[in-house]
Amino acid sequence: DSGVTQTPKHLITATGQRVTLRCSPRSGDLSVYWYQQSLDQGLQFLIQYYNGEERAKGNILERFSAQQFPDLHSELNLSSLELGDSALYFCASSARGGLAGGSTGELFFGEGSRLTVL
Amino acid sequence: QKEVEQDPGPLSVPEGAIVSLNCTYSNSAFQYFMWYRQYSRKGPELLMYTYSSGNKEDGRFTAQVDKSSKYISLFIRDSQPSDSATYLCAMRGVGRNNAGNMLTFGGGTRLMVKP
Repeated sequence: DSGVTQTPKHLITATGQRVTLRCSPRSGDLSVYWYQQSLDQGLQFLIQYYNGEERAKGNILERFSAQQFPDLHSELNLSSLELGDSALYFCASSARGGLAGGSTGELFFGEGSRLTVL
Repeated sequence: QKEVEQDPGPLSVPEGAIVSLNCTYSNSAFQYFMWYRQYSRKGPELLMYTYSSGNKEDGRFTAQVDKSSKYISLFIRDSQPSDSATYLCAMRGVGRNNAGNMLTFGGGTRLMVKP
């Protein structure tokens, strides 16, 4: 168990809808990262927050947004959903603020939220 | 062309075999190299980490980096059915800017070790 909790585990919705994915980082970790994993694109970095502030953006669509709350949990909002948004969405956390979680590159991943858009 | 290429597999081997997993990359700025293991329905977990060129051994696992060829490998000796998973390579550069520190992942190689 990595200590990172993601909800929901599975989500099925229709095109055009909006969903919110939630992540609770490991106790004490200040950084939260969101990744999208699909069969054709692999693991793609979306966005990082550090202690409540946006730290870096990757390949995140304008229809997607995220935030990190004072208690350090984070939410990823996906709107105007399209079929191609179907994927596994992972949250990861680390204690440090770098994009790679410190010198070892260790990010602690949750078990992911599987989104299916029909 | 992707910055990090990895054969998706699946790679099927008998128990006890030596497994070789590989990644090639194009960005010469990459200095830190990692291998993550991802079991089915789970998130990736860090398996090994190396800096620059050379070898690193940890039990049955050996990570090898050849920066001159932009090629990294993970060897698994005496493979076990419990090693069946997807293995993702990841790498990043150094520096203070975000681009240099971003982790770039390979697409993953699915490994199946048959009893």
